[in-house]
Amino acid sequence: DADVTQTPRNRITKTGKRIMLECSQTKGHDRMYWYRQDPGLGLRLIYYSFDVKDINKGEISDGYSVSRQAQAKFSLSLESAIPNQTALYFCATSDPRGTGETQYFGPGTRLLVL
Amino acid sequence: GQQLNQSPQSMFIQEGEDVSMNCTSSSIFNTWLWYKQDPGEGPVLLIALYKAGELTSNGRLTAQFGITRKDSFLNISASIPSDVGIYFCAGQVGGGSNYKLTFGKGTLLTVNP
Repeated sequence: DADVTQTPRNRITKTGKRIMLECSQTKGHDRMYWYRQDPGLGLRLIYYSFDVKDINKGEISDGYSVSRQAQAKFSLSLESAIPNQTALYFCATSDPRGTGETQYFGPGTRLLVL
Repeated sequence: GQQLNQSPQSMFIQEGEDVSMNCTSSSIFNTWLWYKQDPGEGPVLLIALYKAGELTSNGRLTAQFGITRKDSFLNISASIPSDVGIYFCAGQVGGGSNYKLTFGKGTLLTVNP
């Protein structure tokens, strides 16, 4: 079973709709992240959370919000979707304990906003 | 903030050839990571480097943490079709609440059988 899961894997929505992307992890990591990926731009950080009570904006947080419902769950919302939010979205987790700190990614959600 | 310059942006090679890609920055990093993203999937960690000068291998992959701590390279030897994908470097600074990971824009690798 995958350690980091994302639902849905694909989503088509219309401009102005509110949608939520969900992420769950079984790795027991405290830290979770949301990225978006656009061709040629790599991975850009939207929001991150270092524990259940912690929420931080990343480099491109405008138009997005997040909720950390539990250690294992971190959801990303688009309050009013717009076409330029069409992208591939990834959730990731990390654990600050031990040597170094690497991030582990989910399989991604492909979002199309019409 | 930190920026990573990853090159080349794309490569088209023949099966069996060796591949080299690198990341450079004007900033110092504590850790360098190399990820591979297969089409339609999330990035998967290939190699993690924790010390300046460290050279680490994972099968046909070899990566090095530059002595200056501002660069890293990844080599793939004897490429095969399943090496196709996007390769990302990432550099980490800080720890604890100051932890930050910065990603390069990726190298798209195409391998012609």
